[in-house]
Amino acid sequence: KQEVTQIPAALSVPEGENLVLNCSFTDSAIYNLQWFRQDPGKGLTSLLLIQSSQREQTSGRLNASLDKSSGRSTLYIAASQPGDSATYLCAASSNTGKLIFGQGTTLQVKP
Amino acid sequence: DAGVTQSPTHLIKTRGQQVTLRCSPKSGHDTVSWYQQALGQGPQFIFQYYEEEERQRGNFPDRFSGHQFPNYSSELNVNALLLGDSALYLCASSPTSGRALFGELFFGEGSRLTVL
Repeated sequence: KQEVTQIPAALSVPEGENLVLNCSFTDSAIYNLQWFRQDPGKGLTSLLLIQSSQREQTSGRLNASLDKSSGRSTLYIAASQPGDSATYLCAASSNTGKLIFGQGTTLQVKP
Repeated sequence: DAGVTQSPTHLIKTRGQQVTLRCSPKSGHDTVSWYQQALGQGPQFIFQYYEEEERQRGNFPDRFSGHQFPNYSSELNVNALLLGDSALYLCASSPTSGRALFGELFFGEGSRLTVL
């Protein structure tokens, strides 16, 4: 049974700092791994999707890596801004499209 | 291009009542999945619909049922509501294309259900 864990649960950093969010999963037989952002009371916005055959994906200040052998993914945010404050969720996908989510990391970037 | 749209955005029900939530997928998407997100938790998979059939189901009781229409839109029905059903209900759509049977999922803004 796939289980996804995110550490830390909460993180507070000053503006401009580079930071790393961690995601681990127990079953390496994933189809892809997706990172989402969720603002309070809102839906999920897809940030990055990494296929199982890929090692990383980049979008602007965001970089996500995937290491299936160790069951880990990281989301790197460069030069953090107050607008990056949100909850970040990672989700491992099976080949049937079912997502298993972690509990999220709530990020606060202070001006 | 409209993304995934859900209605209603908020609703309040009492225990024992029934509720229907609606979802229109992103244009070009034919697969719809439903997730339940309790406060402070990650979303939990309820079920997935493709070609108007339930293809897979998470660990939810039969009180949770759904439907997909020929235009790919979907409904989630919950009967005999319990206090614990209070949550944000998220709909996600994805395309079936090429080698990737199920691609990137796109989520709606959700329907916030409060059961009193």
